[in-house]
Amino acid sequence: GQQLNQSPQSMFIQEGEDVSMNCTSSSIFNTWLWYKQDPGEGPVLLIALYKAGELTSNGRLTAQFGITRKDSFLNISASIPSDVGIYFCAGQRPTGTASKLTFGTGTRLQVTL
Amino acid sequence: NAGVMQNPRHLVRRRGQEARLRCSPMKGHSHVYWYRQLPEEGLKFMVYLQKENIIDESGMPKERFSAEFPKEGPSILRIQQVVRGDSAAYFCASSPGGRGTEAFFGQGTRLTVV
Repeated sequence: GQQLNQSPQSMFIQEGEDVSMNCTSSSIFNTWLWYKQDPGEGPVLLIALYKAGELTSNGRLTAQFGITRKDSFLNISASIPSDVGIYFCAGQRPTGTASKLTFGTGTRLQVTL
Repeated sequence: NAGVMQNPRHLVRRRGQEARLRCSPMKGHSHVYWYRQLPEEGLKFMVYLQKENIIDESGMPKERFSAEFPKEGPSILRIQQVVRGDSAAYFCASSPGGRGTEAFFGQGTRLTVV
């Protein structure tokens, strides 16, 4: 099955720095979602995007739905240690009712003090 | 409002045994999805169910795997005659359905086949 490409695959940053990651697809999605997964836990929804070009914020997180509908990015400003984890993008292509998510390959974020 | 509940959290099975994974969706959610995650990888879709119906099973292996979501009770993902390659984390998500609704995930069941 298809997987979305995320970059970077992993990153080390210093506390206080801004972080940017993106997700690309060869096909169009109607909805983009960003999740964070901590070790041993399930993914937790961070931001949902429903319209091409949409820019949405959730605290220090900002995400955008690309105009082409084939990409999305997530920014984290002023990173803190609890931002450590794996970030996944997911695309959804509903055809009437809610449908499956296609997940990205993940970006592992590690924060140094 | 309790979240998506999965049990057991950890399951160890010998090769050839059966594994049963349970998922209780959030209250009011009638759509359930199962995903599998191998170490260091993203989640991969397996099956999408509504009450008593399988809507999309395109990600489910054709043999040994089955899923159900009965009118009463949790959704069950069943793996028969497990093999070492079935070792993974299995996540369930639920949503209320409809366009633009978001899926919420459980904490997963980690299956280890020895």
